[in-house]
Amino acid sequence: AQSVTQLDSHVSVSEGTPVLLRCNYSSSYSPSLFWYVQHPNKGLQLLLKYTSAATLVKGINGFEAEFKKSETSFHLTKPSAHMSDAAEYFCVVSRNSGYSTLTFGKGTMLLVSP
Amino acid sequence: EAGVTQFPSHSVIEKGQTVTLRCDPISGHDNLYWYRRVMGKEIKFLLHFVKESKQDESGMPNNRFLAERTGGTYSTLKVQPAELEDSGVYFCASSHPGTGGVNEQFFGPGTRLTVL
Repeated sequence: AQSVTQLDSHVSVSEGTPVLLRCNYSSSYSPSLFWYVQHPNKGLQLLLKYTSAATLVKGINGFEAEFKKSETSFHLTKPSAHMSDAAEYFCVVSRNSGYSTLTFGKGTMLLVSP
Repeated sequence: EAGVTQFPSHSVIEKGQTVTLRCDPISGHDNLYWYRRVMGKEIKFLLHFVKESKQDESGMPNNRFLAERTGGTYSTLKVQPAELEDSGVYFCASSHPGTGGVNEQFFGPGTRLTVL
């Protein structure tokens, strides 16, 4: 069994300030972890993925996430927010083998103010 | 390369009517998945095709939902008869075998279904 908890439904930041979106997971087997982003009227886009290699994962658009097994966390960060980062972000867990299905968190809406 | 496409983008129907959603995966992707997001809830898995075969349909809510993937290309998801609680956004995703076991799925923009 697996589950994902995104600790914040909404996060508000000012442009140019750091972004932190928190995610905790639970999995009874070795997980793959992902962050997806959805901009309005667009499909879900993969930001980054962790698949049991390096624990610090770099993704697109300056985002990165660190897998911490001891804390069962996979928080998403970015040093400096841009207006175009405003979107909904999903933390996702999957079994790290084969073609298992994805289990989503409830999403975090990131609001960026000028 | 074209991404995953879904049709229609929006559908508004009345309770008791039938609706068919379509998904065209990325060309060559054998794996096709359907997910649904009901308002206020998380995105949840419905079912998974490998080519034309249903690999896993454990997430299908009930027998009013019928998914098909004839010929292993596009897929349809039919809801008959639709109920109010079927309202939500239906996402389709596809993935390609040989990704080293990493299940990277590519998503379509979704179909927003409203049942009145």
